Amino acid sequence: ETTVTQSPASLSMAVGEKVSISCKTSTDIDDDMNWYQQKSGEAPKLLISEGNTLRPGVPSRFSSSGYGTDFVFTIKNVLLGDEGIYYCQQSDNVPLTFGSGTKLEIK
Amino acid sequence: QVQLQQSGAELVKPGSSVKISCKASGYTFTSYDMHWIKQQPGNGLEWIGWIYPGNDNTKYNQKFNGKATLTADKSSSTAYMQLSSLTSEDSAVYFCARSNNYFDYWGQGVMVTVSS
Repeated sequence: ETTVTQSPASLSMAVGEKVSISCKTSTDIDDDMNWYQQKSGEAPKLLISEGNTLRPGVPSRFSSSGYGTDFVFTIKNVLLGDEGIYYCQQSDNVPLTFGSGTKLEIK
Repeated sequence: QVQLQQSGAELVKPGSSVKISCKASGYTFTSYDMHWIKQQPGNGLEWIGWIYPGNDNTKYNQKFNGKATLTADKSSSTAYMQLSSLTSEDSAVYFCARSNNYFDYWGQGVMVTVSS
C-alpha cells in the first residue's frame, strides 16, 4: 500500500499570499497524483488530475508539480473563497490512498 | 451535465445492514468505474472500492472486505453499496464518485449514523 504523507496539517494565510502544500508517497507513483478541495459540508472537488493537469474551469492560480515520490500543490494570490481542506490522492495503485488533508484558513 | 444523486441520511442500529444508492445521469453509466469513499467526522478520506457497471467487476480495499458490497443496476444507472454488521466505526459520510483514474464527479454524500 502506498502511504501518502501530507503537510502541513493546517495553514493560516492572508489574502494574496502564496500557499504550498506537500505530499510525499512511500512508493514511486510517476505523476499519478490528484488534488482536491473540500469546503465545509460539501463533497471534494477535483482541481488537478494526473500529470499536473488543471481541470477545466479551475483558475490558473492553482497548480501542482512533482514526479515520483515528491509533490507540491500551490495556490498563488490566495482568496477568501479558497478556504477549505485540500487533499492529495494517488491513483497509481490500489488501494487508492489520500493524504490526511491540509486545512486552509484565510485571515 | 454529469450528476450523481445519492440517497438520504440513514440512522441504523448496531449489527444491522444498510444499502445506499447513487443514481448517475449525464453520461454513459456503463463506461466509467464508480468508486465509494468513506469520511468519518473530522477525518480524512478513505477509499472503499469500485465497481465497473459495464461488466460488474469489483475491486475492494482489503480493509472493507466483508464490510462493503458494491452492486450496480444498468437499467436505472444506479450504483449501490451495502454495509453489513454495522458498528459505531461505520458512522460516517459515504460518497460515490465517478472515476476516470481520478474522481472527477462526486455525489453529495450520505451520512450513516449507527446508534441504538
